[in-house]
Amino acid sequence: QVQLQESGPGLVKPSGTLSLTCAVSGVSISDINWCSWVRQPPGKGLEWIGEIHPRGTTKYNPPLKSRVTMSLDTSKNHFSLELSSVNAADTAVYYCARHVAVPTTRGFDVWGQGTMVTVSS
Amino acid sequence: EIVLTQSPGTLSLSPGERATLSCRASQSVRSTYLAWYQQRPGQAPRLVIYGGSSRATGIPDRFSGSGSGTDFTLTISRLEPEDSAVYYCQCQQYDISPALYTFGPGTKVDIK
Repeated sequence: QVQLQESGPGLVKPSGTLSLTCAVSGVSISDINWCSWVRQPPGKGLEWIGEIHPRGTTKYNPPLKSRVTMSLDTSKNHFSLELSSVNAADTAVYYCARHVAVPTTRGFDVWGQGTMVTVSS
Repeated sequence: EIVLTQSPGTLSLSPGERATLSCRASQSVRSTYLAWYQQRPGQAPRLVIYGGSSRATGIPDRFSGSGSGTDFTLTISRLEPEDSAVYYCQCQQYDISPALYTFGPGTKVDIK
């Protein structure tokens, strides 16, 4: 079955760039549906960061748009998230998630286990 | 931008009881664009309901989703201890570009 796994540095310095990857297994990234990145600060709720289509189309949440870049690498079967100019407010667990493939419905049906990123000097 | 409000903040019930969780949107939402998630401590969210009322794979039939317009409900008909979790609703606002996803603040369900 489809599985997602996030990876990346657990600690990023303020004003630096957070870089994460989401490895896809069980399906070719070319055939997976839209995927999103979602984050969750410690003890808080979920925030949608943005989404990427297997063909590379991206959409970002406006409050983060100026700092976010999403991309994918078909040779490595993974997609990536970069968040620039980070500060303490970007400290969170970061998740990647696949969108349900049922037309005209919405929901994220497969999630990675999440990776904790702390922004600190 | 749509704002989702969930109530109550915390629900404390006993096993076997019925739980009714509310999700209210600041403007009308296409019902098939509404989803619910369960998140247990230390775990990733798990899709419970998608498309407003469809149960996700592996979700028991005691979970049901309903609603339209601005008011949506997740009902757990007979609570079991493993249902203790925070439940989030989510919608996509499709009438703007880009079409944004928004989460509610969550309802914590405690099984006494």
